[in-house]
Amino acid sequence: EAQVTQNPRYLITVTGKKLTVTCSQNMNHEYMSWYRQDPGLGLRQIYYSMNVEVTDKGDVPEGYKVSRKEKRNFPLILESPSPNQTSLYFCASSLRVADTQYFGPGTRLTVL
Amino acid sequence: EDQVTQSPEALRLQEGESSSLNCSYTVSGLRGLFWYRQDPGKGPEFLFTLYSAGEEKEKERLKATLTKKESFLHITAPKPEDSATYLCAVLSGGSYIPTFGRGTSLIVHP
Repeated sequence: EAQVTQNPRYLITVTGKKLTVTCSQNMNHEYMSWYRQDPGLGLRQIYYSMNVEVTDKGDVPEGYKVSRKEKRNFPLILESPSPNQTSLYFCASSLRVADTQYFGPGTRLTVL
Repeated sequence: EDQVTQSPEALRLQEGESSSLNCSYTVSGLRGLFWYRQDPGKGPEFLFTLYSAGEEKEKERLKATLTKKESFLHITAPKPEDSATYLCAVLSGGSYIPTFGRGTSLIVHP
């Protein structure tokens, strides 16, 4: 089954404790991205990747890191989380940037 | 800067009462306009991609249309299971970052 998976689905952590949210797709897509979704603000892109070893900032990259060492995986790293990073996070992938994006199920992160 | 405005913010319909959702956009050269459906706590689910003015696509009770300034998502004879938030996004020429609207929350009452 073609899908985008994210782990963990739910995470409660404390300020400053490094964490990684994993994302994997099995569709051989080149383009992958991370979004955060906040009430009243909609979906905002954090980082995107055009292909292996090619990543770039989205609209709200501050406080986040990403890497793309393999085509299927695109982890999101918060090295020192803060409460304003409490949000619902989605990973997405598409064959190319202008194609339909397929979204993961989401990760609800709470930073205390 | 690309802009996407969706209206109305919320819409309540009776089952069978057809209506339309609007997505107005401002971009410098449209590469694609995307419609998604999102259920609470879940990831957006793809509905349609439109690439040029005049294009129309249909799927069951949904039909998406596109002009040079806006897109409509027409819902014909909706059912309660069509209740969800509908998101519109655009990608402009030369950009790698889609811009999403804030969505229209649709509730269909039986």
